[in-house]
Amino acid sequence: EPEVTQTPSHQVTQMGQEVILRCVPISNHLYFYWYRQILGQKVEFLVSFYNNEISEKSEIFDDQFSVERPDGSNFTLKIRSTKLEDSAMYFCASSEVIGQETQYFGPGTRLLVL
Amino acid sequence: TQLLEQSPQFLSIQEGENLTVYCNSSSVFSSLQWYRQEPGEGPVLLVTVVTGGEVKKLKRLTFQFGDARKDSSLHITAAQPGDTGLYLCAGAYNFNKFYFGSGTKLNVKP
Repeated sequence: EPEVTQTPSHQVTQMGQEVILRCVPISNHLYFYWYRQILGQKVEFLVSFYNNEISEKSEIFDDQFSVERPDGSNFTLKIRSTKLEDSAMYFCASSEVIGQETQYFGPGTRLLVL
Repeated sequence: TQLLEQSPQFLSIQEGENLTVYCNSSSVFSSLQWYRQEPGEGPVLLVTVVTGGEVKKLKRLTFQFGDARKDSSLHITAAQPGDTGLYLCAGAYNFNKFYFGSGTKLNVKP
């Protein structure tokens, strides 16, 4: 069964460093999403992406975040200058059809900012 | 800000009992999804409901979307220990932006 994959599974970084989280969505999917989940808290929407541009973003997704689909398979989330409060689990998701259809989530990347 | 309130936050029941989890909002959603999440893993979709009043069944799980598309419920019949986990609802706003509830942690004791 096709699945969303994410790398790395864990990332430890120093405050102020840049990190890139990588996702490979399901191959025929057209809509891509990033979410984060701070330990013990709810899953929070960050951004949705379609047709090589951001469709929606939340208040969390400020200028230090960016997303890119650099090639036909990868979907990346870049955090330019990490802060302690960026420590969280980051989930990528993809869906074939927007909104009404299934969002498939990846296993997540656990980011720890020291 | 669109908020989804889930209740109860925690539920501990005996095997064989029935239970209902609620997801409520003041906003209208274009669709609503229920997920189950295991610790350290991504949410796994159980169902998507789209039409107001829609009812979907998945074995012992019954999902309902409110007529006004502002609320939903998940009912589990004859709960089993394998149902133990975190259940999340998520509403799609404008098809493009999704809000998750804080989850219901279910424990089914054998």
